[in-house]
Amino acid sequence: DVKVTQSSRYLVKRTGEKVFLECVQDMDHENMFWYRQDPGLGLRLIYFSYDVKMKEKGDIPEGYSVSREKKERFSLILESASTNQTSMYLCASSLLPGTYNSPLHFGNGTRLTVT
Amino acid sequence: RKEVEQDPGPFNVPEGATVAFNCTYSNSASQSFFWYRQDCRKEPKLLMSVYSSGNEDGRFTAQLNRASQYISLLIRDSKLSDSATYLCVVNGRGSTLGRLYFGRGTQLTVWP
Repeated sequence: DVKVTQSSRYLVKRTGEKVFLECVQDMDHENMFWYRQDPGLGLRLIYFSYDVKMKEKGDIPEGYSVSREKKERFSLILESASTNQTSMYLCASSLLPGTYNSPLHFGNGTRLTVT
Repeated sequence: RKEVEQDPGPFNVPEGATVAFNCTYSNSASQSFFWYRQDCRKEPKLLMSVYSSGNEDGRFTAQLNRASQYISLLIRDSKLSDSATYLCVVNGRGSTLGRLYFGRGTQLTVWP
């Protein structure tokens, strides 16, 4: 069974802090993703990565950066946290792009509150 | 136009009812289709993939209509435990084939 592990379930940070959200997957998946989910807005893609050291912007990359130094680990960085980044953050992984029927497997989420 | 559109509901049905959700997608080149289920304050979990010929998994049936670009999910004999939000998911095109697009979800409540 695929396991995607996010380092924290709940986080509380202050405005202006630099925040690191870590995600590790154990299935040797090429693709990794970071989403945020807010009521009424659904899942929105922040960044994704197809391979080590590769990254591509999703729909809402502003205020975020990512790092993928190893295949199994994909980190989301909030350079200077703001209150509008209070949200549920979900990491996911999947097989190769273009692989037919390659669903996403999600971690159990990090609920971040920025005060 | 959004990549994936769903009726947000809510759908409120009694136990034992049959309920159907539809979802439309904009990219005619999409090849992968899924339904996910998300419980309150939990992560989305894969419910089932959707195959061209349609497929069934117990009480759940998924259909794909490529000509009209929609997929559907039918739940028969609804259980209280089916109460959740159901997300329609479709893959992207070209270089972003690995990227999946999510609908905003359809909320289902099954009451006793």
